[in-house]
Amino acid sequence: GAGVSQTPSNKVTEKGKYVELRCDPISGHTALYWYRQSLGQGPEFLIYFQGTGAADDSGLPNDRFFAVRPEGSVSTLKIQRTERGDSAVYLCASSRIGNEQFFGPGTRLTVL
Amino acid sequence: AQKVTQAQTEISVVEKEDVTLDCVYETRDTTYYLFWYKQPPSGELVFLIRRNSFDEQNEISGRYSWNFQKSTSSFNFTITASQVVDSAVYFCALSEYNQGGKLIFGQGTELSVKP
Repeated sequence: GAGVSQTPSNKVTEKGKYVELRCDPISGHTALYWYRQSLGQGPEFLIYFQGTGAADDSGLPNDRFFAVRPEGSVSTLKIQRTERGDSAVYLCASSRIGNEQFFGPGTRLTVL
Repeated sequence: AQKVTQAQTEISVVEKEDVTLDCVYETRDTTYYLFWYKQPPSGELVFLIRRNSFDEQNEISGRYSWNFQKSTSSFNFTITASQVVDSAVYFCALSEYNQGGKLIFGQGTELSVKP
């Protein structure tokens, strides 16, 4: 079956612009997670959805970051007024409740 | 506070050597899960194993084996007879039972297997 997909695979933007990153989870997975991975580091948790609601957004660095999952499937991570420090690979993962997470290929965001 | 430490940043071995990747974790929960993921050069994280805190039995899967010791808060990963295709960054991760499954990752160990 299809795995987790993320679009775009690469995004280059200018400082101050708004970006949206999309995640398509594995069908039937109710839990969806966003992580951010900087070069040479392990992924860092951003936000977790159970169904349509954000069950834990404690990892979002500030209020420029927001994520939605309106129908309990596809999720969009939104970043306003991007800064150079936002440059990283943004990873999405999905799982059945209580099970291991399966990761997508990531979106590499570069803020110039 | 939860924390995962992978003290080895880089390891280089020659093909057919055995190699052990270390992982030490910190948690105050009694119920938690430990994971290993592989990140090959292509970048996509690949799930390898999940163990819960109540199961300390060692696990073997082909050339891979895992040693979980609660007494030392360690969950080490051994690759036997390493191959070039094992070259990747390996991450250890922790998830606490009441945290909704969010993963706390270590810094990763970059394994290079040379022919």
